[in-house]
Amino acid sequence: QTVVTQEPSFSVSPGGTVTLTCGLNSGSVSSSSYPSWYQQFPGQAPRTLIYSTNSRTNSRASGVPDRFSGSILGNKAALTITGAQTDDESDYYCFVYLGGGIWVFGGGTKLTVL
Amino acid sequence: EVQLVESGGGLVKPGGSLRLSCVVSGFSFDSYTMNWVRQAPGKGLEWIASISKSSDYIYYADLMRGRFTISRDNAKNSVYLQMDSLRAEDTALYYCVRWGNWNYDYWGQGTLVTVSS
Repeated sequence: QTVVTQEPSFSVSPGGTVTLTCGLNSGSVSSSSYPSWYQQFPGQAPRTLIYSTNSRTNSRASGVPDRFSGSILGNKAALTITGAQTDDESDYYCFVYLGGGIWVFGGGTKLTVL
Repeated sequence: EVQLVESGGGLVKPGGSLRLSCVVSGFSFDSYTMNWVRQAPGKGLEWIASISKSSDYIYYADLMRGRFTISRDNAKNSVYLQMDSLRAEDTALYYCVRWGNWNYDYWGQGTLVTVSS
């Protein structure tokens, strides 16, 4: 069974830069996986941060600050937060296409900003 | 304003069935693929199923295939999730989600399903 892997937790200092990754237990995440990233605060529905990530560009959802960016790094998708703020402390999920109509979420990363 | 409103959740015994509904408004329902996503208490997100605009293409996560059935009624602006043979591990908040421009751009508030004897 294909598993989408994410760091369970990560910590960053306010103003710092952090890169969260999203990989596969077998195979690579590429632009053909159409990776997207979601942010979720406790008790709320997720919201889209980044979608259509590829090696050159990514699309930022409406209203998402430009300190959030997505990319493909090697065989993984990556979400980078540049100049992290305390408001960014939340859970982050990647979502990828495996083919054959099947999509999978990663296990999520709990980001702490302190 | 885009709205997705789920209903039909509740307490059900193991082996039982439930039918979730999601009524949408504020957009042309028959122009969008719709999905169900769930989240167990304190756990991550899990994709369940998707259904295309005209129900031509339906896909399920492996764990749900055979027990869950997604359907839609474009005349009623509604999407459904029939869940059979429910197990304790199906306990979760179930979200109805619109597939927009290569992302889930709108989510409902979720409906809670609890499977317990």
